[in-house]
Amino acid sequence: AQSVTQLDSQVPVFEEAPVELRCNYSSSVSVYLFWYVQYPNQGLQLLLKYLSGSTLVESINGFEAEFNKSQTSFHLRKPSVHISDTAEYFCAVSVTAGNKLTFGGGTRVLVKP
Amino acid sequence: GAGVSQSPRYKVAKRGQDVALRCDPISGHVSLFWYQQALGQGPEFLTYFQNEAQLDKSGLPSDRFFAERPEGSVSTLKIQRTQQEDSAVYLCASSLGWIGLIYNEQFFGPGTRLTVL
Repeated sequence: AQSVTQLDSQVPVFEEAPVELRCNYSSSVSVYLFWYVQYPNQGLQLLLKYLSGSTLVESINGFEAEFNKSQTSFHLRKPSVHISDTAEYFCAVSVTAGNKLTFGGGTRVLVKP
Repeated sequence: GAGVSQSPRYKVAKRGQDVALRCDPISGHVSLFWYQQALGQGPEFLTYFQNEAQLDKSGLPSDRFFAERPEGSVSTLKIQRTQQEDSAVYLCASSLGWIGLIYNEQFFGPGTRLTVL
């Protein structure tokens, strides 16, 4: 079975400052890795994913995540956050069969002006 | 509609009542998932359908939980004799699944917030 740990439940950050959200996973088999974002009063949206290939993946709105197999991590970073990045972020993993996702507990990011 | 829709958006039930939660996936999506999200936690997998076949129900917490997708489109999650610990947001997601080597993402609905008094 897989598990996902998000080490920070809340991350306050000032606008235009960098942010890093930590995600570690455990699995006995290879996994696919995902970051989902949930804006206030909205549903979950896929932010970015790692399936194979380059270990650094990027989203269209400036987030990036790096898959580190040796450390079993998939940390999410953004060099400069905006107020609109205020949301809850979930790290998730899946294995091939069925694509069901195993989520971490989430990290709430509050961007302050 | 363009996305996954769920109804009702909010449901209040008295302990012991039965409830039925509906999910309308994106048209053409063969894979459908149900997740349960307790307050302050991440979503947890309940069950998975491929078309009308329920291929994985390992996450259903008890035999009070039942899901169906009889025609491979709309799905219903039914909870019998609701308990207070069933209070959560129930999320539905659909996807095209894997097509060849192409992974297709899961699209989530807005969820149904169930409160059991």
